[in-house]
Amino acid sequence: AQSVAQPEDQVNVAEGNPLTVKCTYSVSGNPYLFWYVQYPNRGLQFLLKYITGDNLVKGSYGFEAEFNKSQTSFHLKKPSALVSDSALYFCAVINGGYQKVTFGTGTKLQVIP
Amino acid sequence: NAGVTQTPKFQVLKTGQSMTLQCAQDMNHEYMSWYRQDPGMGLRLIHYSVGAGITDQGEVPNGYNVSRSTTEDFPLRLLSAAPSQTSVYFCASSFGQTREKLFFGSGTQLSVL
Repeated sequence: AQSVAQPEDQVNVAEGNPLTVKCTYSVSGNPYLFWYVQYPNRGLQFLLKYITGDNLVKGSYGFEAEFNKSQTSFHLKKPSALVSDSALYFCAVINGGYQKVTFGTGTKLQVIP
Repeated sequence: NAGVTQTPKFQVLKTGQSMTLQCAQDMNHEYMSWYRQDPGMGLRLIHYSVGAGITDQGEVPNGYNVSRSTTEDFPLRLLSAAPSQTSVYFCASSFGQTREKLFFGSGTQLSVL
């Protein structure tokens, strides 16, 4: 069965500093990986995806993610954090049959002014 | 485009009552799904549908029923509500064979007393 793990419940970072939100995955076959963001009292919004190709993928709002097959990781990064980036971030993976999208438990990002 | 619309936004039920959470999308997406979000658990897949007339179970289907008579609508039914079903429920839809991007509704907050 596929799964994703987000080892940090919360990440705190100072405004202007780089941020990393960690994700590791387990899936048979080639992984399709995603990051979503959830602002308070809202549904999730798509940030970026890795399907194939370059290991560094770029997404919305200046976010990017690095796919590392040997470490089965897909960490979310941003060079310079904004206070408005404070939200709940979810990593997700889809199974080979493209039927079920499995989400991690989420990481709360707090950007401190 | 309205996107994915969920109603109601809030609902309080007594144990044993039944209700239907509505979900409608106007993007002609063939894939629709229901998730529940609980603290520390992330999002867990309840049921999904790959097209009208086709539904299947996700991770946590017990106590929930779905049907898909049209492409636009995917209602979630609680037949006999239990306190364990207190949660925030999200409907999501997607296009394309590989479900590369999920579009989420704004959620229904359900309390079962």
